[in-house]
Amino acid sequence: AQSVSQHNHHVILSEAASLELGCNYSYGGTVNLFWYVQYPGQHLQLLLKYFSGDPLVKGIKGFEAEFIKSKFSFNLRKPSVQWSDTAEYFCAVSWRSGGGADGLTFGKGTHLIIQP
Amino acid sequence: GAGVSQTPSNKVTEKGKYVELRCDPISGHTALYWYRQSLGQGPEFLIYFQGTGAADDSGLPNDRFFAVRPEGSVSTLKIQRTERGDSAVYLCASSVDRGGGNEQFFGPGTRLTVL
Repeated sequence: AQSVSQHNHHVILSEAASLELGCNYSYGGTVNLFWYVQYPGQHLQLLLKYFSGDPLVKGIKGFEAEFIKSKFSFNLRKPSVQWSDTAEYFCAVSWRSGGGADGLTFGKGTHLIIQP
Repeated sequence: GAGVSQTPSNKVTEKGKYVELRCDPISGHTALYWYRQSLGQGPEFLIYFQGTGAADDSGLPNDRFFAVRPEGSVSTLKIQRTERGDSAVYLCASSVDRGGGNEQFFGPGTRLTVL
């Protein structure tokens, strides 16, 4: 079965620290890659996505992610985090197929806490 | 409204009962998805509609679960003979069209508790 792995379930950082959250997916063909964020009390919203083209993708709020096909990875980065980045972060993948089934497969999530 | 809405926001029921969960997608979005999120887990895909038809129901865990979208807009997820293991947050999402590169916009979810 296709799967998505997020390496860190809980991360605690101080403000201004750099962030990198790991995401790997199982092999299975051409993929679409997403990072979603869920702030406390809010619903899931898209941070960024990769569909094709430049493997370095920039999203909202200063986040970026790099697709490395040879490593089946799509790690999320931010050079300097803020207290307001405290949230749950989910990596998600859809595998393109002829039938176009587009349901996302999510990782288990990373709970990020930023200490002021 | 501007976003995906789901009702009720919370539902408490007893084991063995029947429940219906409703999703109103963003107006004009043809694709609609249902996911289930258990505590400490990421959302798990259940079913996907393109228009009125279920294009992919491979994620439905068993035949107690069923979903409809009769007019290609509002969708209802139906769970028969609920079990305690069905307790989770049920999320609905919609996107402008099919195609894996389209952003899925998520609703706030319905928290289902089966006692």
